Amino acid sequence: GAGVSQSPSNKVTEKGKDVELRCDPISGHTALYWYRQSLGQGLEFLIYFQGNSAPDKSGLPSDRFSAERTGGSVSTLTIQRTQQEDSAVYLCASSARTGGGQFFGPGTRLTVL
Amino acid sequence: GQQVMQIPQYQHVQEGEDFTTYCNSSTTLSNIQWYKQRPGGHPVFLIQLVKSGEVKKQKRLTFQFGEAKKNSSLHITATQTTDVGTYFCAGMNSGGYQKVTFGTGTKLQVIP
Repeated sequence: GAGVSQSPSNKVTEKGKDVELRCDPISGHTALYWYRQSLGQGLEFLIYFQGNSAPDKSGLPSDRFSAERTGGSVSTLTIQRTQQEDSAVYLCASSARTGGGQFFGPGTRLTVL
Repeated sequence: GQQVMQIPQYQHVQEGEDFTTYCNSSTTLSNIQWYKQRPGGHPVFLIQLVKSGEVKKQKRLTFQFGEAKKNSSLHITATQTTDVGTYFCAGMNSGGYQKVTFGTGTKLQVIP
């Protein structure tokens, strides 16, 4: 595709449910990043992939959060037992190489009721 | 760990006035990137600077990387309402794992 795509664009869930967010990076981009952004706030780094491996998971807020990347392409971010404080926009970005300019997807707006 | 701070946090300017945001890192950077996020949108990559003292221009925007590669600035000449948004810098550290850290952002409001 021409850009980074994310699905779903919006997700409303009930507290305690699991959710899975998907990111399709730009074809050929080896680096993939997940961020979280609360309303009016900055970007909170969650995790970074180089290929299928995750050298940096330091931003994952708790063990309820996990992510994987397969085939050096699609990535999924899973949040188990969602809490209201998980409500935010989850942004995915990819870059052609580590440290290169990052191209962001439109984000998934997660609302936990 | 590496910290990247931006000042000011907010800036209101009259249309036509100039605007500058400053980015400061606690560690030496190998490169610095700048992004713009329009209200309701996602961050958009603007530019990357790599060399010490480097200056790059994009129309009314001037980007500068400090000599010590620990700070950077973005200057907008004669702001327009289309410049409204939040500007983020992002720095990649120069040693070990090449982590990219986003700055805290500067929110620009342009008054017509």
